[in-house]
Amino acid sequence: QQQVKQSPQSLIVQKGGISIINCAYENTAFDYFPWYQQFPGKGPALLIAIRPDVSEKKEGRFTISFNKSAKQFSLHIMDSQPGDSATYFCAASSPQGGSEKLVFGKGTKLTVNP
Amino acid sequence: DTGVSQNPRHKITKRGQNVTFRCDPISEHNRLYWYRQTLGQGPEFLTYFQNEAQLEKSRLLSDRFSAERPKGSFSTLEIQRTEQGDSAMYLCASSLGGEGVNTEAFFGQGTRLTVV
Repeated sequence: QQQVKQSPQSLIVQKGGISIINCAYENTAFDYFPWYQQFPGKGPALLIAIRPDVSEKKEGRFTISFNKSAKQFSLHIMDSQPGDSATYFCAASSPQGGSEKLVFGKGTKLTVNP
Repeated sequence: DTGVSQNPRHKITKRGQNVTFRCDPISEHNRLYWYRQTLGQGPEFLTYFQNEAQLEKSRLLSDRFSAERPKGSFSTLEIQRTEQGDSAMYLCASSLGGEGVNTEAFFGQGTRLTVV
């Protein structure tokens, strides 16, 4: 059972454009929703994260929009740059059980053309 | 470098051999996680330590896998009798956890295992 569904699988955007990646989750116990960026051969790096008590969080060119009732959240990358080309993963975790392990989506490979 | 450190970065082994990976978390982090990532997929949780105690293991962690975190510092992940299906990137992450509080998990660069 895939608990976090991510789309699209791949995305091509022109430099300066807006990249939008969407995720949906099933487990209502999730209360922490981070986005990770991963370059080839590297480990994932936290980009931005949100908790369900807010509907939007912005950090520089990166914005998370969160819709608790629809159980969906999305990442918007404004003014996309070629250096943003990477694979992006949404994730979610729950305090239940104590580990707060992350459940990841399958990833979106973003290509930003110059 | 004060980030999460994993060694080795790459490991090629023959099927049936045993391999061991090491993770050095960020020094003050009490929580340590192992994840496995196959090509084109997101990381999947394997196991979790709080200090030296292994508190959770995924069903993905067969009896050929064992992990330790002696003294609550570095951790090792051992795979016995490796199989080709074990080929993957093994990622370690650490965080400073508090009760009921999600905190940022920092990932290492991973160990890429290839079983031939």
